Amino acid sequence: AQTVTQSQPEMSVQEAETVTLSCTYDTSESDYYLFWYKQPPSRQMILVIRQEAYKQQNATENRFSVNFQKAAKSFSLKISDSQLGDAAMYFCAFISNFGNEKLTFGTGTRLTIIP
Amino acid sequence: GAGVSQTPSNKVTEKGKYVELRCDPISGHTALYWYRQSLGQGPEFLIYFQGTGAADDSGLPNDRFFAVRPEGSVSTLKIQRTERGDSAVYLCASSLTGHTEAFFGQGTRLTVV
Repeated sequence: AQTVTQSQPEMSVQEAETVTLSCTYDTSESDYYLFWYKQPPSRQMILVIRQEAYKQQNATENRFSVNFQKAAKSFSLKISDSQLGDAAMYFCAFISNFGNEKLTFGTGTRLTIIP
Repeated sequence: GAGVSQTPSNKVTEKGKYVELRCDPISGHTALYWYRQSLGQGPEFLIYFQGTGAADDSGLPNDRFFAVRPEGSVSTLKIQRTERGDSAVYLCASSLTGHTEAFFGQGTRLTVV
C-alpha cells in the first residue's frame, strides 16, 4: 500500500515571496504519478501540477514547480511570487500506473498568504 | 456539462436516515471516482467506476455504503442508516480514462445529526 505524508499542517508566506511545501511518499512501485492539488474554501480540488515518476526533469507550471527526488521519495512544491489567490489547502497525491486507479492523498498543508 | 456537478451541495440528515448523493461527471468521461474527506484530512478513496461497473469498491467502509452508475454517466452514492461518523465532504471526480487527469466536483457536505 502507498502512503503520502505532509508534515507541515500550516505554512504562511509574505505576498510576492517564495514558499516550499513538503511531501514524502512510500511505495514499492517504480511507475507512478505524483500530483499537487489545491483546495480553496469552495471545496473543489484543482490540479496544480503533475509529475511522472519516469521523467527525471522536474515539472513546472508558471509560478509552480516541483522538486522530485525519486530515490528519497520526496516531492515538494515551490510557489514563486506568491499571490493572495494562492491561499488554500494543498494536497500531495499519488497514483500507481499499474491497475490501481485510486489517488492516495496526504493530510494537506494550509497555506496562508500575508499581504 | 462543463465540469463535474454534485448535488446537493449540503445535506443535513438525522441519524438512521437514508441519503443519496448525486454526481454528474464531465460528458464522455468513462472513469468516475468517489472520495470521502473528513474534517482536517485528505480525501480517502471509496469507489471507482469504469463505465457502468464498479472496478474497485475496496474503499467503501461497510455495507451501509453503496454506489451505482447504471448508464455509465451519472452516479449515485447511497448511504443507509446514517451514523454521525458518516459526516464528511463526499467528493466525486471523473476522468477521460483511468490515469488521466481527474476533475473534481465541489463535493457534498453531509452532516448527520
